[in-house]
Order: sequence, then C-alpha cells, then structure tokens
Amino acid sequence: GAVVSQHPSWVICKSGTSVKIECRSLDFQATTMFWYRQFPKQSLMLMATSNEGSKATYEQGVEKDKFLINHASLTLSTLTVTSAHPEDSSFYICSAPVASGRAGETQYFGPGTRLLVL
Amino acid sequence: QKEVEQNSGPLSVPEGAIASLNCTYSDRGSQSFFWYRQYSGKSPELIMFIYSNGDKEDGRFTAQLNKASQYVSLLIRDSQPSDSATYLCAVLRSDYKLSFGAGTTVTVRA
Repeated sequence: GAVVSQHPSWVICKSGTSVKIECRSLDFQATTMFWYRQFPKQSLMLMATSNEGSKATYEQGVEKDKFLINHASLTLSTLTVTSAHPEDSSFYICSAPVASGRAGETQYFGPGTRLLVL
Repeated sequence: QKEVEQNSGPLSVPEGAIASLNCTYSDRGSQSFFWYRQYSGKSPELIMFIYSNGDKEDGRFTAQLNKASQYVSLLIRDSQPSDSATYLCAVLRSDYKLSFGAGTTVTVRA
C-alpha cells in the first residue's frame, strides 16, 4: 500500500503557541489530502480537505483561522494549530487517497500526531 | 440517522474463533466500503475494501456486502490475540470523503 508519513509524532506545547504538523505522501503524489482529529474513545472526525494549489475546504464547525492548512506541493500538506489551547489536545491524523479502480479511491493514513497543550 | 453504524461491541472472542463485525449505512448511493483496523494509540490501517455485492476474501479476513440491505460485514477467521483492536467501517461518499462508523473493539482471548 501507499505510504504516508507525519511529523512530529508527538508534540507538547504551552497554551497560546502554534504548532505545525506535516503530512507527506512518500511514494505517490496527492493533489488532495485529508485531516482528521480523534479524541479518546471516539471515531475519526474529518476536519478539512487539503487541496494542492488552492484553498482547503473545512467541515462545518471547524475554524479555518485556527487550523491553517497549506498544501504547497503534490507530496506535502501542513496543518498549523494556531494559538493552541488545552481543548485542542487530540490525535491528529492525515490521509491521502490513491485511485483504486472501481472502488474509487482508497485513503491511506499517516501514523498520526499526538498533541498535548498544557 | 447516522451515516454509518456499527455494532457497538466490545466483542470478545476466544482465540481461533470467528469474529463477526457488522456495519450499516444510510446512503443507498454509496459504492465503496472499507474496513480499517486501529490499534490503541495508532492510526487506522486498511484491511480491505469491497464494492461488489457478495464476499471478498483476503487471508483470514472476509468482507461481505449487500447493497440492497445497505449492510457490510467483516469476518475474521481463526482469530489471534494480535487481532485485538478497534475495527472501523468506512463508506466512500460521492464527494470522495470517508464517513466512519464509531468502531467496534475486538478482544481475542488467548
């Protein structure tokens, strides 16, 4: 399967600081990537769709000014959590789709970034 | 009604038994369905996908799809302790976004 990496895997920061998370497709190009957030014992919640060369589209209820997304190349998307607060502490996971014939697209997930805001 | 619903679990099975996971979806136009496995503290990893009615087998895993009933299932044969994880059912929407179920946690007892 396709390989997606994320960096960093863990980050601890003080309240009010900004944190940048990188998502890379290692062996394929991705014009679209997806950012999810997962709280403990809950399922994945889609936050936004990252589009190479254009603005990201955000799901309802997700603040675009707080979660800045940049998809500068066909293999890299970044999510910046601005002015992070303790309630932003979560597991952030990106995914990138790969064309899968009749199945449409298959999303492959990065290993995730665990954010803890103190 | 939720877009994707899974049997709530947790599901506990003895080693060597069959684990059966169920999923229903609300959008009758959905075409592609995915099963992901998520170990505690890790991100989801793809087990398999299915888009045609019937069964699809991959090793010890069998996915079953019935579009008329809007039902997808995953069978894990000869369950192993390493199969202990949360299994996520996902449905590909027409906008190419995935809708996930809440997940079913499986524990395989040695």
